[in-house]
Amino acid sequence: GDSVTQMEGPVTLSEEAFLTINCTYTATGYPSLFWYVQYPGEGLQLLLKATKADDKGSNKGFEATYRKETTSFHLEKGSVQVSDSAVYFCALTGSARQLTFGSGTQLTVLP
Amino acid sequence: GAGVSQTPSNKVTEKGKYVELRCDPISGHTALYWYRQSLGQGPEFLIYFQGTGAADDSGLPNDRFFAVRPEGSVSTLKIQRTERGDSAVYLCASSLNTGSSYEQYFGPGTRLTVT
Repeated sequence: GDSVTQMEGPVTLSEEAFLTINCTYTATGYPSLFWYVQYPGEGLQLLLKATKADDKGSNKGFEATYRKETTSFHLEKGSVQVSDSAVYFCALTGSARQLTFGSGTQLTVLP
Repeated sequence: GAGVSQTPSNKVTEKGKYVELRCDPISGHTALYWYRQSLGQGPEFLIYFQGTGAADDSGLPNDRFFAVRPEGSVSTLKIQRTERGDSAVYLCASSLNTGSSYEQYFGPGTRLTVT
Protein backbone atom coordinates (compact mmCIF):
# COMPACT_ATOMS: atom_id res chain seq x y z
CA GLY A 1 0.00 0.00 0.00
CA ASP A 2 0.89 3.68 -0.02
CA SER A 3 3.34 4.96 2.57
CA VAL A 4 5.23 8.12 3.52
CA THR A 5 8.57 8.18 5.31
CA GLN A 6 9.50 11.41 6.97
CA MET A 7 12.64 12.72 8.60
CA GLU A 8 12.73 11.93 12.29
CA GLY A 9 12.53 14.84 14.68
CA PRO A 10 12.67 16.89 16.66
CA VAL A 11 14.55 19.55 14.72
CA THR A 12 15.85 22.64 16.52
CA LEU A 13 17.18 25.61 14.55
CA SER A 14 18.16 29.18 15.22
CA GLU A 15 16.15 31.96 13.62
CA GLU A 16 17.18 32.68 9.99
CA ALA A 17 18.69 29.21 9.56
CA PHE A 18 17.98 27.08 6.48
CA LEU A 19 15.42 24.31 6.90
CA THR A 20 15.14 20.96 5.13
CA ILE A 21 12.72 18.24 6.20
CA ASN A 22 13.08 15.09 4.12
CA CYS A 23 10.10 13.13 2.83
CA THR A 24 10.01 10.07 0.58
CA TYR A 25 7.00 8.08 -0.51
CA THR A 26 5.85 4.77 -1.93
CA ALA A 27 2.72 4.75 -4.05
CA THR A 28 1.29 3.18 -7.17
CA GLY A 29 0.42 5.44 -10.05
CA TYR A 30 0.78 9.20 -9.78
CA PRO A 31 0.04 10.47 -6.29
CA SER A 32 -0.56 14.07 -5.27
CA LEU A 33 1.81 15.24 -2.55
CA PHE A 34 1.19 17.58 0.37
CA TRP A 35 2.80 19.23 3.34
CA TYR A 36 0.51 19.95 6.29
CA VAL A 37 1.43 22.00 9.36
CA GLN A 38 0.05 21.83 12.89
CA TYR A 39 0.81 24.90 15.00
CA PRO A 40 0.60 24.54 18.79
CA GLY A 41 -3.03 24.29 19.89
CA GLU A 42 -4.36 24.46 16.34
CA GLY A 43 -5.71 22.04 13.74
CA LEU A 44 -3.97 20.67 10.66
CA GLN A 45 -3.55 23.20 7.86
CA LEU A 46 -2.47 22.61 4.30
CA LEU A 47 0.89 24.33 3.75
CA LEU A 48 1.55 23.44 0.11
CA LYS A 49 0.89 20.81 -2.52
CA ALA A 50 2.07 19.44 -5.86
CA THR A 51 -0.01 17.25 -8.13
CA LYS A 52 2.44 16.06 -10.79
CA ALA A 53 6.12 15.36 -11.34
CA ASP A 54 8.44 18.41 -11.29
CA ASP A 55 5.71 20.64 -9.86
CA LYS A 56 6.92 22.97 -7.12
CA GLY A 57 4.53 23.85 -4.32
CA SER A 58 5.21 27.03 -2.36
CA ASN A 59 3.62 29.05 0.43
CA LYS A 60 4.82 31.36 3.23
CA GLY A 61 8.43 31.01 2.06
CA PHE A 62 8.29 27.20 2.14
CA GLU A 63 8.91 25.17 -1.02
CA ALA A 64 8.84 21.52 -2.04
CA THR A 65 9.43 19.93 -5.46
CA TYR A 66 7.74 16.70 -6.59
CA ARG A 67 10.63 14.43 -7.64
CA LYS A 68 9.30 11.27 -9.23
CA GLU A 69 12.74 9.83 -10.01
CA THR A 70 13.69 9.86 -6.32
CA THR A 71 10.10 9.56 -4.98
CA SER A 72 10.73 12.56 -2.75
CA PHE A 73 9.02 15.79 -1.69
CA HIS A 74 11.46 17.51 0.64
CA LEU A 75 10.31 20.69 2.44
CA GLU A 76 12.69 23.68 2.43
CA LYS A 77 12.74 27.23 3.72
CA GLY A 78 15.64 29.60 3.33
CA SER A 79 15.25 31.52 6.59
CA VAL A 80 13.06 30.18 9.38
CA GLN A 81 11.31 32.32 11.98
CA VAL A 82 10.24 31.59 15.53
CA SER A 83 6.64 31.58 14.29
CA ASP A 84 7.44 28.56 12.07
CA SER A 85 7.72 26.37 15.17
CA ALA A 86 5.18 23.60 14.59
CA VAL A 87 4.78 19.96 13.59
CA TYR A 88 5.09 19.32 9.85
CA PHE A 89 3.48 16.33 8.11
CA CYS A 90 4.20 15.04 4.64
CA ALA A 91 1.23 13.29 3.02
CA LEU A 92 -0.06 11.87 -0.24
CA THR A 93 -3.27 10.86 -1.96
CA GLY A 94 -2.86 7.92 -4.30
CA SER A 95 -5.52 5.93 -6.09
CA ALA A 96 -7.73 6.42 -3.03
CA ARG A 97 -8.98 9.84 -1.99
CA GLN A 98 -7.82 9.64 1.60
CA LEU A 99 -4.54 11.09 2.81
CA THR A 100 -1.65 8.90 3.89
CA PHE A 101 0.55 10.79 6.35
CA GLY A 102 4.10 10.52 7.56
CA SER A 103 4.78 10.47 11.29
CA GLY A 104 5.47 14.21 11.53
CA THR A 105 8.53 16.33 12.31
CA GLN A 106 8.55 18.68 15.28
CA LEU A 107 10.36 21.94 14.42
CA THR A 108 11.46 24.38 17.10
CA VAL A 109 13.01 27.70 16.06
CA LEU A 110 14.95 29.57 18.73
CA PRO A 111 15.33 33.37 18.72
CA GLY B 1 -17.01 31.14 6.20
CA ALA B 2 -17.22 28.55 8.94
CA GLY B 3 -14.69 25.77 8.91
CA VAL B 4 -15.06 22.16 9.94
CA SER B 5 -16.32 21.86 13.50
CA GLN B 6 -16.12 18.89 15.84
CA THR B 7 -17.82 18.23 19.14
CA PRO B 8 -16.99 17.60 21.85
CA SER B 9 -13.45 18.96 21.90
CA ASN B 10 -12.58 16.58 24.73
CA LYS B 11 -14.23 13.38 25.88
CA VAL B 12 -13.23 11.25 28.85
CA THR B 13 -14.99 7.91 29.19
CA GLU B 14 -14.58 4.68 31.08
CA LYS B 15 -13.47 1.46 29.46
CA GLY B 16 -16.45 -0.41 28.04
CA LYS B 17 -18.64 2.64 27.50
CA TYR B 18 -20.16 3.87 24.23
CA VAL B 19 -19.17 7.24 22.71
CA GLU B 20 -20.30 9.38 19.81
CA LEU B 21 -18.14 12.00 18.13
CA ARG B 22 -19.71 14.58 15.84
CA CYS B 23 -18.35 16.35 12.77
CA ASP B 24 -19.96 19.28 10.99
CA PRO B 25 -18.25 19.81 7.60
CA ILE B 26 -17.89 22.95 5.55
CA SER B 27 -21.21 23.76 3.91
CA GLY B 28 -21.43 22.31 0.42
CA HIS B 29 -18.56 19.85 0.84
CA THR B 30 -19.71 16.47 -0.42
CA ALA B 31 -16.80 14.41 0.89
CA LEU B 32 -16.10 13.78 4.56
CA TYR B 33 -13.20 11.88 6.12
CA TRP B 34 -12.43 10.57 9.60
CA TYR B 35 -8.85 10.07 10.79
CA ARG B 36 -7.32 9.03 14.10
CA GLN B 37 -4.10 10.54 15.44
CA SER B 38 -2.22 8.86 18.25
CA LEU B 39 0.37 10.76 20.26
CA GLY B 40 3.52 11.44 18.25
CA GLN B 41 2.10 9.95 15.05
CA GLY B 42 0.54 11.19 11.85
CA PRO B 43 -3.20 10.88 11.32
CA GLU B 44 -4.44 7.48 10.11
CA PHE B 45 -7.43 7.10 7.83
CA LEU B 46 -10.60 5.54 9.21
CA ILE B 47 -13.49 6.11 6.79
CA TYR B 48 -14.51 8.29 3.85
CA PHE B 49 -18.02 9.39 2.87
CA GLN B 50 -19.09 10.69 -0.50
CA GLY B 51 -22.54 12.11 0.11
CA THR B 52 -24.48 9.83 2.44
CA GLY B 53 -22.67 6.60 1.66
CA ALA B 54 -19.40 5.25 3.00
CA ALA B 55 -17.18 5.11 -0.09
CA ASP B 56 -14.29 3.50 1.78
CA ASP B 57 -14.33 2.14 5.34
CA SER B 58 -11.15 0.11 5.04
CA GLY B 59 -9.44 2.04 7.85
CA LEU B 60 -11.93 1.16 10.60
CA PRO B 61 -9.92 -1.02 13.01
CA ASN B 62 -12.73 -3.39 13.98
CA ASP B 63 -16.50 -3.71 14.23
CA ARG B 64 -16.66 -1.60 17.41
CA PHE B 65 -16.23 1.43 15.17
CA PHE B 66 -19.07 2.69 13.01
CA ALA B 67 -19.85 6.00 11.30
CA VAL B 68 -22.93 7.50 9.68
CA ARG B 69 -23.77 10.53 7.58
CA PRO B 70 -27.54 10.19 7.08
CA GLU B 71 -28.24 13.49 5.29
CA GLY B 72 -24.93 13.98 3.54
CA SER B 73 -23.76 16.70 5.91
CA VAL B 74 -23.10 16.06 9.62
CA SER B 75 -21.36 12.80 10.45
CA THR B 76 -21.15 10.84 13.69
CA LEU B 77 -18.38 8.40 14.56
CA LYS B 78 -19.59 5.80 17.04
CA ILE B 79 -17.35 3.63 19.19
CA GLN B 80 -18.81 0.75 21.18
CA ARG B 81 -17.21 -0.97 24.19
CA THR B 82 -14.35 1.51 24.28
CA GLU B 83 -10.86 0.28 25.11
CA ARG B 84 -7.86 2.18 26.46
CA GLY B 85 -6.17 1.74 23.09
CA ASP B 86 -8.92 3.86 21.50
CA SER B 87 -7.50 6.94 23.26
CA ALA B 88 -6.41 9.36 20.53
CA VAL B 89 -7.40 12.56 18.76
CA TYR B 90 -10.14 11.91 16.21
CA LEU B 91 -9.96 14.27 13.25
CA CYS B 92 -12.59 15.07 10.67
CA ALA B 93 -11.94 16.64 7.28
CA SER B 94 -14.14 17.67 4.38
CA SER B 95 -13.57 18.51 0.72
CA LEU B 96 -15.49 19.55 -2.37
CA ASN B 97 -14.23 16.64 -4.54
CA THR B 98 -15.13 18.33 -7.79
CA GLY B 99 -12.91 19.32 -10.69
CA SER B 100 -9.44 19.89 -9.22
CA SER B 101 -10.70 20.76 -5.73
CA TYR B 102 -9.81 17.73 -3.64
CA GLU B 103 -8.11 19.69 -0.87
CA GLN B 104 -9.13 18.45 2.57
CA TYR B 105 -9.90 20.93 5.34
CA PHE B 106 -9.50 19.64 8.86
CA GLY B 107 -11.43 20.31 12.04
CA PRO B 108 -9.76 20.87 15.43
CA GLY B 109 -10.32 17.28 16.51
CA THR B 110 -11.89 15.49 19.47
CA ARG B 111 -9.47 14.23 22.09
CA LEU B 112 -10.82 10.92 23.41
CA THR B 113 -9.43 9.50 26.63
CA VAL B 114 -10.54 6.07 27.77
CA THR B 115 -9.77 5.40 31.44
